Order: sequence, then C-alpha cells, then structure tokens
Amino acid sequence: GAVVSQHPSRVICKSGTSVKIECRSLDFQATTMFWYRQFPKQSLMLMATSNEGSKATYEQGVEKDKFLINHASLTLSTLTVTSAHPEDSSFYICSARDRRARNWYEQYFGPGTRLTVT
Amino acid sequence: KQEVTQIPAALSVPEGENLVLNCSFTDSAIYNLQWFRQDPGKGLTSLLLIQSSQREQTSGRLNASLDKSSGRSTLYIAASQPGDSATYLCAVQGGSEKLVFGKGTKLTVNP
Repeated sequence: GAVVSQHPSRVICKSGTSVKIECRSLDFQATTMFWYRQFPKQSLMLMATSNEGSKATYEQGVEKDKFLINHASLTLSTLTVTSAHPEDSSFYICSARDRRARNWYEQYFGPGTRLTVT
Repeated sequence: KQEVTQIPAALSVPEGENLVLNCSFTDSAIYNLQWFRQDPGKGLTSLLLIQSSQREQTSGRLNASLDKSSGRSTLYIAASQPGDSATYLCAVQGGSEKLVFGKGTKLTVNP
C-alpha cells in the first residue's frame, strides 16, 4: 500500500515551453501533497504544499506564477513549469500524506521526474 | 532557519564492513528525524524514523541514533552489502509537515 506515482519519469522540453508533471496516490486519498526539487549534488528542497481544493502554499523564493500547482482531486496533484528555462532543469519529486494516516508526519514519496530544458 | 548537514558526502567501503553515516542539524527544536534511502533517479524510501523523545531506532542491520540536544544523528549499517549502495538522506521535521533534508551521503559497497 501507500504507492505514489509520477508521470512522466523523464521529460525533455525546449526553453520557453511549459511542461506538466503529475503526481498520483494510487491506493489512498491524499488531502495534502508536497512538491520537492533536487538539483545535482544538492538537497531536496520543498517547493510548495498543496491541499485538495485550495491554493498551494509556496516556500520562500519559489515563484508561484512559474510553478503552477493544481490539486483538483484527492488522488492527483499537478505541477506545471511554465516558460521553462535551462535553470529549471532538475529532479522533481512529490510526496503525499494519507488522509487516514495515524501519524500526521508520514509522507509517501513518488519516484520523481527528471526535467531537462534545452 | 533549520540546516541539515551530512558527512561524509561520499563513502566507499568493502563488502562486510560496518559503517556510520553522520547527520547534524542546527535547530534542536525538531519533532522527528528520518533516514531515507534514494536510489539513482528514483524516489525516497523511508528507512527509520526517530521521534524527538527517542534515542534510537533499529531495523534489521540498520540502527539510527539521535542526540537532539547536540543536534546529531548517526545511521549505523552493519555487515554492509553491495545492495546497500545508494544515497542516504537525513531529514528533520519541526512542528509542521515540512521536511528539511541534508545533501546526502553517497554510499558504495564494493563486492
């Protein structure tokens, strides 16, 4: 149980285009999902927290107009990188919290999406 | 602002060796500390979670300790195997759901 999937696993796009990444909880309902970004040899950094049916909360320094997050259902959150630039190339990982989890701090991570902007 | 540091950044050991990975954090007001494993290009697998009130947790060949007051944690791996090769991440959680990660230690266990 507690499986989180991401699609696509890898994506290459041209500078200036937009790309959408999906995060799905496969066997549980997630009221909260988290989006992280990991640059090479750097730590995972939380970008934003999304709650089903409401606006995402972005971490300081993350442009909300550039990284659009939609959490339209209890099993799906999407991250859209708009007008992508080469510096947006990174590994994007989502995690999800089971609405029925006994412990508030438990998160289940997806396998990640490697974004390369050329 | 919480900062998490992991030492060493990389470690290479022969199979069968016992090893210790280190993690330190600047703000001792944490709720818990977790150790994760990350395989290349893949997501995270939670290995051990230590609550702030606990001193250590064990799972199989893994033992994690926590000294909250000094801001330190160690992950001990006994009798290492090639399959243990991965990047190990340490992360702390305060009163919110936000996880603050270290950069990780890349472990290579040579057969």
